[in-house]
Amino acid sequence: DTAVSQTPKYLVTQMGNDKSIKCEQNLGHDTMYWYKQDSKKFLKIMFSYNNKELIINETVPNRFSPKSPDKAHLNLHINSLELGDSAVYFCASSQGSTSGGWIDTQYFGPGTRLTVL
Amino acid sequence: AQSVTQLGSHVSVSEGALVLLRCNYSSSVPPYLFWYVQYPNQGLQLLLKYTSAATLVKGINGFEAEFKKSETSFHLTKPSAHMSDAAEYFCAVTETQGAQKLVFGQGTRLTINP
Repeated sequence: DTAVSQTPKYLVTQMGNDKSIKCEQNLGHDTMYWYKQDSKKFLKIMFSYNNKELIINETVPNRFSPKSPDKAHLNLHINSLELGDSAVYFCASSQGSTSGGWIDTQYFGPGTRLTVL
Repeated sequence: AQSVTQLGSHVSVSEGALVLLRCNYSSSVPPYLFWYVQYPNQGLQLLLKYTSAATLVKGINGFEAEFKKSETSFHLTKPSAHMSDAAEYFCAVTETQGAQKLVFGQGTRLTINP
C-alpha cells in the first residue's frame, strides 16, 4: 500500500502553461507539505497544511497555489510556468499538529519531475 | 536562523569500510536533527532522528548518529558499508515540534566501491 502518492510522476510542459500536481496520503496524518528539489538536489520547503489550513508558506511566487480539499490531499497548482520551475516536487505528510508535543517523522512521496521547455 | 552544512558533496568508500557522513548545524535553540536517505528516483526515507532523549541515535540499516552539542555536529556513521547503501543522504534540522519546517543540508552522495 502506497503511503504518500503523487501524480503524475513526470510532467513535461511548455512555458506559460498551467499545471497541477496531486498528492494523497493514506496514513491518516494531519499535516502535509510540498518541497522543491532543484537540479543540485537542494531541498526546500514550500508549503505546509494542517487539517486543510495553511501553516507554513515560504517565499514562493504566488504563481504557486496549494489546495487542500481534505486532510488526505494536498495539490499544487502552478500558473504561467517558467523555466526555473523545472525541478522535482515532493509531497510529504506527518502526524503533526500545531500543538506540538512530539517530534514528527515526515513521510515523503516518490516525487514529480517537472520539466518546463 | 537554523541551517545545516554537510561537508563533502560526494563520499566514496569501499564495501565493508566505515561510512562517515558529516553534518554541522546552526540553531538558536536546542535543535531536532534528522538524517534522510534518497535512493535514485525515489522519495526521502527517514534513517534516524535526534529528539534530545539520547545523544547516540540508532537508525535503520545499521546507521547511527551522535549529537555533539559542543561541536554542533550530527555525523552519520555505519561500521561496514554495503553496496545497497549507495544513495544521497540529507541531514535536516528543525526547531519546532509537531508540524515542522525542516531545513535540509545540500546532501552527500555516497558511492560504494566493490
